[in-house]
Amino acid sequence: EAGVVQSPRYKIIEKKQPVAFWCNPISGHNTLYWYLQNLGQGPELLIRYENEEAVDDSQLPKDRFSAERLKGVDSTLKIQPAELGDSAVYLCASSRRVDTEAFFGQGTRLTVV
Amino acid sequence: DAKTTQPPSMDCAEGRAANLPCNHSTISGNEYVYWYRQIHSQGPQYIIHGLKNNETNEMASLIITEDRKSSTLILPHATLRDTAVYYCIVRVAGGSQGNLIFGKGTKLSVKP
Repeated sequence: EAGVVQSPRYKIIEKKQPVAFWCNPISGHNTLYWYLQNLGQGPELLIRYENEEAVDDSQLPKDRFSAERLKGVDSTLKIQPAELGDSAVYLCASSRRVDTEAFFGQGTRLTVV
Repeated sequence: DAKTTQPPSMDCAEGRAANLPCNHSTISGNEYVYWYRQIHSQGPQYIIHGLKNNETNEMASLIITEDRKSSTLILPHATLRDTAVYYCIVRVAGGSQGNLIFGKGTKLSVKP
C-alpha cells in the first residue's frame, strides 16, 4: 500500500510569490491533515479535513493561506503571497478516521528568499 | 497547547532498552496516549497508543500508570536507527477534538 505522497519535496521561491503544495493521502482515508513544522519544533496543525469538509481550520492564517480537498481525496495547500517567515516544512497526514492513527508524508521543505 | 511534558533529550546505548517518560497529569478519561517518532528529514511515524492498559506491538511497549498521569515508551533493544525525536501526545478518541497536537518531544540519541 502506498503511503501519503507529497510534492514537491523541496521548493525555493522569492518572497511575495505564490506557492502550492500537493498531497495524495492513503486510499480510503477520510481524514486529512496539513501541518507546518519549523526547525527544532514539533509539527503545528494548520487544517484538518473530514472528506471534503474543513472541520478545523482555526490555526490556518487565512489572509495568505488557503487549502482545498476536492472530491475528498487529494488536497492542495496554497500560500499567496509567501513571506520569509513561511520557510518551514509542510507536512500532510491522513487517517482512516479522526480517531485512528495518522500516517505522514515526507513533507515539502519550503525556503522563501 | 500540548498537554504533555517530556525531557528534551536522552541518550541510550545500542542494544539496551530505551525508556522514554511522559507526564500527562491533566489527562481526561476519554483521552488516549499516542506516541510518534520523527527521524531526521522524515515525517512523523506512528508507534503505539493506549488508553488504560499496557500495550505492546512489534515496535515498542507502552506502560501507562494506574492513575494515567504518566506513561513510558519502551524500545526493548534500541538500535542506531531508533535515533529520532519521540513525541508523546494526548488525544481525545473520536469527535471533532481528535487533532494530534505535538509538543517538542524527546530527542533520543542511540550511541554505539
